Amino acid sequence: DIVMTQSPDSLAVSLGERATINCRSSQSILDSSNNKNSLAWYQQKPGQPPKLLIYWASTREFGVPDRFSGSGSGTEFTLSISSLQAEDVALYFCQQYSSAPATFGQGTKLEIK
Amino acid sequence: QVQLVQSGDEVKKPGSSVKVSCKASGGSFNNYAISWVRQAPGQGLEWMGGIFPLFGSASYAQKFQGRVTITADGSTTTAYMELRSLRSEDTAIYYCARSIILPNWFDPWGQGTQVIVSS
Repeated sequence: DIVMTQSPDSLAVSLGERATINCRSSQSILDSSNNKNSLAWYQQKPGQPPKLLIYWASTREFGVPDRFSGSGSGTEFTLSISSLQAEDVALYFCQQYSSAPATFGQGTKLEIK
Repeated sequence: QVQLVQSGDEVKKPGSSVKVSCKASGGSFNNYAISWVRQAPGQGLEWMGGIFPLFGSASYAQKFQGRVTITADGSTTTAYMELRSLRSEDTAIYYCARSIILPNWFDPWGQGTQVIVSS
C-alpha cells in the first residue's frame, strides 16, 4: 500500500496569514495516462464528515474558496491557505488514489494562533 | 445533488456483528461506486472497501478481507456494510462515500455512523 505522510501534525497560524500543509507519498502518484497526480485534499470540521477540497493535486472542487490551493508532483504535495479565516480551523487530510487501496495521510490539525 | 444518509449509531458486544446502511438520494446510484471509510477516535481515515452497485462486485482492503461484506440494493438505492467478529478496536465512526471509480477521490460523504464495541 502507498503510505501517505503529512507534516506537521498540527499547525497554528494567525488570522490573515498563510497556512501550508505538506503531504508525502511513499511512491510516485503521477498518472502517466493524463500526466496528473492522483491526490486529493479534504477538510474535516468537528462532528462532520470530510469535505472534498481539491483533486488531481490542484483542481479545486466547485464552491471551494480560491484561498485554498494545491500544488506538487510525484511524491511531494502542498495544501496552502493564502489568508487564514476563522472558519478554516479544521483537520486536513491528503489521500492518494493512484493505486488500490486508497490511502490517507494521518491528518493535520489547523488552529488559530 | 446526491446526498448519502446513513443509519443510526450502534453499540455492540465484542464478537457480534454490525450492519450499517447508506441511502443515496438526489442522483444516480448505479453509475458510481460506494466505499466505506472508517475513523477510529483521534485517528485518521481508513478505506475498508467499496462496491459498484451496477455490477454488484465489491473489493476490500486486505486488512478487512473475510470480516467485512459490502452490498448494494439498486431498487432502494442503499448500500450496506456488515462487519463481523467485532472487537474493541473496531470502535469508530463509519462513513460511506461516493466515487466515480475505485480508487478515486470521495465526494460526497455520508454523515457517519458511530459504532461502539464494548462489553
